[in-house]
Amino acid sequence: KQEVTQIPAALSVPEGENLVLNCSFTDSAIYNLQWFRQDPGKGLTSLLLIQSSQREQTSGRLNASLDKSSGRSTLYIAASQPGDSATYLCAVNTNAGKSTFGDGTTLTVKP
Amino acid sequence: SAVISQKPSRDICQRGTSLTIQCQVDSQVTMMFWYRQQPGQSLTLIATANQGSEATYESGFVIDKFPISRPNLTFSTLTVSNMSPEDSSIYLCSVEDLGSIAPDGGGYGYTFGSGTRLTVV
Repeated sequence: KQEVTQIPAALSVPEGENLVLNCSFTDSAIYNLQWFRQDPGKGLTSLLLIQSSQREQTSGRLNASLDKSSGRSTLYIAASQPGDSATYLCAVNTNAGKSTFGDGTTLTVKP
Repeated sequence: SAVISQKPSRDICQRGTSLTIQCQVDSQVTMMFWYRQQPGQSLTLIATANQGSEATYESGFVIDKFPISRPNLTFSTLTVSNMSPEDSSIYLCSVEDLGSIAPDGGGYGYTFGSGTRLTVV
């Protein structure tokens, strides 16, 4: 059974700092890995999708890496802003809609 | 990416009543997925809904409690029946993002609705 762990559970940083969120998974037989952002009480916004054959994806200030063999992914956020404050969820996707989510990292960026 | 309209965005309901949540997608999709997110926890898949067949429920979820309809390829509903305070959660629908396949192949990513925040009192 796939298990997904996100570390840290919460993170508070001053504005402008670069930061890394971590995601680890136990079963490397994945199709892809997806990072989401969730604002309080809201739905999920997809940030980055990394296919199992890829090593990294970039979108603006975000960079996600994937090391499938070691069961790890990181989400790097450059030059953090208060608007980045949210919960970040990592989801490991296997076949036919089987997505396993981590518990998330709640990020607070202080002005 | 597909755009999902989910309604209602939030509701406060009396215990013992039922609430039906709707998801409308702007394109045809084969599978729709319903998730529950209990307070402070991550997402748990409730069921997968295919058009023209009964939904497939995950362990711990039953059709009598969470009946699902899938009348066509763009619409689905989830009903939370005979609600108790333990049903207070965010409910989300999701579909495969058919535009997310990389040029060298791979699996789909997923797009989510905006969520329904349910409070049962």
